[in-house]
Amino acid sequence: RKEVEQDPGPFNVPEGATVAFNCTYSNSASQSFFWYRQDCRKEPKLLMSVYSSGNEDGRFTAQLNRASQYISLLIRDSKLSDSATYLCVVNQKVTFGTGTKLQVIP
Amino acid sequence: DAGVIQSPRHEVTEMGQEVTLRCKPISGHNSLFWYRQTMMRGLELLIYFNNNVPIDDSGMPEDRFSAKMPNASFSTLKIQPSEPRDSAVYFCASSSTTGTLNYGYTFGSGTRLTVV
Repeated sequence: RKEVEQDPGPFNVPEGATVAFNCTYSNSASQSFFWYRQDCRKEPKLLMSVYSSGNEDGRFTAQLNRASQYISLLIRDSKLSDSATYLCVVNQKVTFGTGTKLQVIP
Repeated sequence: DAGVIQSPRHEVTEMGQEVTLRCKPISGHNSLFWYRQTMMRGLELLIYFNNNVPIDDSGMPEDRFSAKMPNASFSTLKIQPSEPRDSAVYFCASSSTTGTLNYGYTFGSGTRLTVV
């Protein structure tokens, strides 16, 4: 099993839709979790950290499920500008998922 | 804050040549990471340093790759000799780490390497 697994997508969603991504990890001792966003031909940029209690930043909500060993990212009211690849990061060995490509269509 | 600075932004070299990629991390960050990104394999961790000491280099593909961090403000990734399959975008990232907790990674803009 890979250390970190993501559905590569692409997820094609209409503007205004709600979309959710999951990311599973194999190492139960992992301590830090993040979601990154990467635009085409750019570097990954931190979108948000994922805390045990869950956290929200505007239209974005991140959650951690330690029992099932996954993290999730929910995007509400999708905008065209949300189109990007979303990468999850699990800290134990600084491992990135392969990314989920999101395409928001008008 | 200037962020993580990588150079060069683009490098085109012939097979067999030596390539040196450079990185200046964010001041105050104590961990530095080198990643390679390709379409086929995604973002792969090559090596990371904590307080200038290499902690895990298990991702370094082979002996042709080497990395150094002589001080807290500079690191290099060297490929000698380079091969066409080394063509990729190489990212450097830095972060602040306390024990097993990490506070997020900041990436440089990357070096796009093409070996012909």
